[in-house]
Amino acid sequence: DAGVTQSPTHLIKTRGQQVTLRCSPKSGHDTVSWYQQALGQGPQFIFQYYEEEERQRGNFPDRFSGHQFPNYSSELNVNALLLGDSALYLCASSLSPGANVLTFGAGSRLTVL
Amino acid sequence: AQTVTQSQPEMSVQEAETVTLSCTYDTSESDYYLFWYKQPPSRQMILVIRQEAYKQQNATENRFSVNFQKAAKSFSLKISDSQLGDAAMYFCAYRIGNAGNMLTFGGGTRLMVKP
Repeated sequence: DAGVTQSPTHLIKTRGQQVTLRCSPKSGHDTVSWYQQALGQGPQFIFQYYEEEERQRGNFPDRFSGHQFPNYSSELNVNALLLGDSALYLCASSLSPGANVLTFGAGSRLTVL
Repeated sequence: AQTVTQSQPEMSVQEAETVTLSCTYDTSESDYYLFWYKQPPSRQMILVIRQEAYKQQNATENRFSVNFQKAAKSFSLKISDSQLGDAAMYFCAYRIGNAGNMLTFGGGTRLMVKP
């Protein structure tokens, strides 16, 4: 049973570009959340998707947007990339929006030059 | 705003010994959950243990246990019989009861295990 899978694992972009990261939740999970983890820091919550809608959002600008598809997979889009967007982006899935157990993926490492 | 503080950037323990990682949090909520996550070099966050704030009994999962002091807003993790595979970053996290998947994480503690 595959867990949470994320792609790509690594990518490099330049300032001003746009990036799309992808996440497939664990089988049976319908809720997906995204976190940003800067180097040497703990993860910060970006937003949560359930039933193809953004349900909760952390303190991130509108440059960060997302989408959830009918098969529960999700995308994170970041526009107008800044150097400070360099981070590990983690996707987590759960059985429901209020579930206590999150299953995390191994993340996508984004470097902005 | 809720905050989670881990005051120990690094800890070291001898294999088979016991180590305690500290965590304090700040909240005015009464319904919340606390978690410890492990992040090995593979980068995947793994849930180690969780505690519901309304439960007075400290959670235990095999070699891992917590000391939950609600009044002091303290939530420490004790690892007994440390193993080489326990070496990793450990993150303390907090979630308000109705906050869905929105966890607030501390800055982490790097645990090194010496053979």
